[in-house]
Amino acid sequence: AIRITQSPSSLSASTGDRVTITCRASQGISSYLAWYQQKPGKAPKLLIYAASTLQSGVPSRFSGSGSGTDFTLTISCLQSEDFATYYCQQYYSYPPEVTFGPGTKVDIK
Amino acid sequence: EVQLVQSGAEVKKPGESLKISCKGSGYSFTSYWIGWVRQMPGKGLEWMGIIYPGDSDTRYSPSFQGQVTISADKSISTAYLQWSSLKASDTAMYYCARAPYDILKFDPWGQGTLVTVSS
Repeated sequence: AIRITQSPSSLSASTGDRVTITCRASQGISSYLAWYQQKPGKAPKLLIYAASTLQSGVPSRFSGSGSGTDFTLTISCLQSEDFATYYCQQYYSYPPEVTFGPGTKVDIK
Repeated sequence: EVQLVQSGAEVKKPGESLKISCKGSGYSFTSYWIGWVRQMPGKGLEWMGIIYPGDSDTRYSPSFQGQVTISADKSISTAYLQWSSLKASDTAMYYCARAPYDILKFDPWGQGTLVTVSS
């Protein structure tokens, strides 16, 4: 099974900061990676898929990059509504198999 | 509007059975996967499995194989997650989510069903 790690597990940042979260797969997954945002008490929300494609309606301050085993999610200018937990998810395998990363909590400094 | 609406919160005792549901609307229910995701209190997301209602193709995470059963009734656009004998460790929020056939990106998600198992 493909294992996913994320770093950092948490970070403190201020509004306006540039934030980068890293996701690493235990084997190459091409660009089969998605990013989600989850706020307390809410369902996750898809932000990015195919490593770098922005989901419709997601602000352009969110961007994704990477392929193979190393990926990043960048928030270019952190807004108050961006304080949340972020998860990456791989969907490379066939037959279909999905793995979520452990999450990165972004809170207010 | 594409929407997934899940059944309400459940409180059960250990050993009891349970079936929770996820009803899709606003799209062709048989043309997308429905996935189930567990989130234990204060913890991260865990993929449990997926079903393709068009042909009932079902895949389970190795961690959940044999522990739960995923099914769907395409006549009423509803997917199900069921347990035959609940344990206290099944206490969690359970989400369903839709994914296209060829890209397992989950969107949208249901609102979640909280399952509490306590004696």
